[in-house]
Amino acid sequence: QQQVKQSPQSLIVQKGGISIINCAYENTAFDYFPWYQQFPGKGPALLIAIRPDVSEKKEGRFTISFNKSAKQFSLHIMDSQPGDSATYFCAASTTNFGNEKLTFGTGTRLTIIP
Amino acid sequence: GAVVSQHPSRVICKSGTSVKIECRSLDFQATTMFWYRQFPKQSLMLMATSNEGSKATYEQGVEKDKFLINHASLTLSTLTVTSAHPEDSSFYICSLSRGSYNEQFFGPGTRLTVL
Repeated sequence: QQQVKQSPQSLIVQKGGISIINCAYENTAFDYFPWYQQFPGKGPALLIAIRPDVSEKKEGRFTISFNKSAKQFSLHIMDSQPGDSATYFCAASTTNFGNEKLTFGTGTRLTIIP
Repeated sequence: GAVVSQHPSRVICKSGTSVKIECRSLDFQATTMFWYRQFPKQSLMLMATSNEGSKATYEQGVEKDKFLINHASLTLSTLTVTSAHPEDSSFYICSLSRGSYNEQFFGPGTRLTVL
């Protein structure tokens, strides 16, 4: 019940295209859903996050779409650039103090080709 | 976001030695920090939750006597890998949570190689 399933495992997108990564969760107690971007040899960086009271959140070229009834959320990267090539992790947690452990997806290696 | 540092960034040691990794919060007093390990091309696995002034809470399957965690102040948590073996070679990353939604911010990671 604690799992977060992420797909695809790897993704190749042409420059300027839209990159889409999907995640699904089971635990209905989760109420915070962040996405992290990780470059090789670096720690993950918080990219964008959403709470279930909204269905979409947009920050620049990055958008999270959230479907509470389906227990799914996705990351869309518009106008994908070579600099976006990285590994992306979705995650989920509760925001209850003392129980805010993140459960991570398995990661998606994104490659943007010219 | 919070600024988190780790030291060292890389360490190579011989089998059987102990290695200490420091995690510092540079701009925030963190009562809780988290320690993760990440094997190549895999996701992050939470090892333990480090609580300032009290014992760490370890995840199932993580040996608390092997991975010693000390959260001595609101800005410093340390992870000591005792009697390290080659299978302990991994990328160790700390994080802290802050903000109304307990957003987690990660350090740059420490690459441990045990020969």
